[in-house]
Amino acid sequence: ETGVTQSPTHLIKTRGQQVTLRCSSQSGHNTVSWYQQALGQGPQFIFQYYREEENGRGNFPPRFSGLQFPNYSSELNVNALELDDSALYLCASIIQGAHEQFFGPGTRLTVL
Amino acid sequence: GENVEQHPSTLSVQEGDSAVIKCTYSDSASNYFPWYKQELGKGPQLIIDIRSNVGEKKDQRIAVTLNKTAKHFSLHITETQPEDSAVYFCAPWGGGSNYKLTFGKGTLLTVNP
Repeated sequence: ETGVTQSPTHLIKTRGQQVTLRCSSQSGHNTVSWYQQALGQGPQFIFQYYREEENGRGNFPPRFSGLQFPNYSSELNVNALELDDSALYLCASIIQGAHEQFFGPGTRLTVL
Repeated sequence: GENVEQHPSTLSVQEGDSAVIKCTYSDSASNYFPWYKQELGKGPQLIIDIRSNVGEKKDQRIAVTLNKTAKHFSLHITETQPEDSAVYFCAPWGGGSNYKLTFGKGTLLTVNP
């Protein structure tokens, strides 16, 4: 167990809707990354937050946004859902200055 | 950006055999090289990593070797067991101010009893 939790575990939405996914990091891990993993692919970096500020972004449109809270929990928000957004969404917590990233179990999002 | 290739995409071995998975990368600035194991329905789990100032690292049945000149690193699993069956990902880190990992497409390892 990594100590990183995510909720919900599964979610079904329809195209055009909005969704919020949640992540609770390990205690003391002040950096969180979010990844999207399509079926049969490796995870792709969406963005990262450090001290409640976005600290790097991958090739994802602005309708993907995030928040990090003082207690190191975080959210991933996706607006105007598209069918291609169907994927496993993973968060990973990191101690700033270290390299090891500890992943949560993910949220499986299905967009119909 | 970093281009990562992983081979083979699938690997089937008999229990007790060894398995080797190779990862090549393009960014010469990469200096951290982890391997992750992902079981069905779970998130990736870090199993071993190596930094650029080290050529080899071993942890029980698992080892990672790094060739920075050739820009590749490999995962070695000896005495494979059925519970080693999973998808394995390499994910080199290219440095910089964030911790973006660039994952390969994964290798499905099946260990047959």
